[in-house]
Amino acid sequence: DTGVSQDPRHKITKRGQNVTFRCDPISEHNRLYWYRQTLGQGPEFLTYFQNEAQLEKSRLLSDRFSAERPKGSFSTLEIQRTEQGDSAMYLCASSQGVRTPEQYFGPGTRLTVT
Amino acid sequence: GEDVEQSLFLSVREGDSSVINCTYTDSSSTYLYWYKQEPGAGLQLLTYIFSNMDMKQDQRLTVLLNKKDKHLSLRIADTQTGDSAIYFCAERSEAGSARQLTFGSGTQLTVLP
Repeated sequence: DTGVSQDPRHKITKRGQNVTFRCDPISEHNRLYWYRQTLGQGPEFLTYFQNEAQLEKSRLLSDRFSAERPKGSFSTLEIQRTEQGDSAMYLCASSQGVRTPEQYFGPGTRLTVT
Repeated sequence: GEDVEQSLFLSVREGDSSVINCTYTDSSSTYLYWYKQEPGAGLQLLTYIFSNMDMKQDQRLTVLLNKKDKHLSLRIADTQTGDSAIYFCAERSEAGSARQLTFGSGTQLTVLP
């Protein structure tokens, strides 16, 4: 399977703990996106990487959130001091280039903060 | 700003056609998309249309785009129970380098036997 993969699929954590999610994009896709989806809503853009450079961040990405893509391949999204409002599905997507319109999504990581 | 709107629910009988509608606001969008999401899963790209096209057909799926009215629709022919899911319309932002997608809230399609 050469699709976008994410790990873990589910994470339950207590408020105040730190969590880290991983995304492996489709091989040779140089554009990588993180989105957040809350119940009953469509995904909302969080941040974007072109290779290893984080080029855009949404206003939704508070300073408790940090994302990396150290070698331009996989990416991690860390949430520090989690809050109940962080409970959501975190989706990763990748695409090949600006002239390639397809964005392919992974299965998501469902985060529950208790 | 960008805003994408969809009706929340649609119910059809198996074998009928389904039509899911969407309106968007960003006239500079170059691509518009339809994604399908099944319970607990990520988003599956169904199809997309370039903004200078009026129609795109792909097997059972037909996308119609009215750029003047900023209206997009997805028609599913011969709808099956396996088509029951949430369908999201999205537009691609051309502001900035990210080209991120802005999604509607989704339309829950229920196919009745």
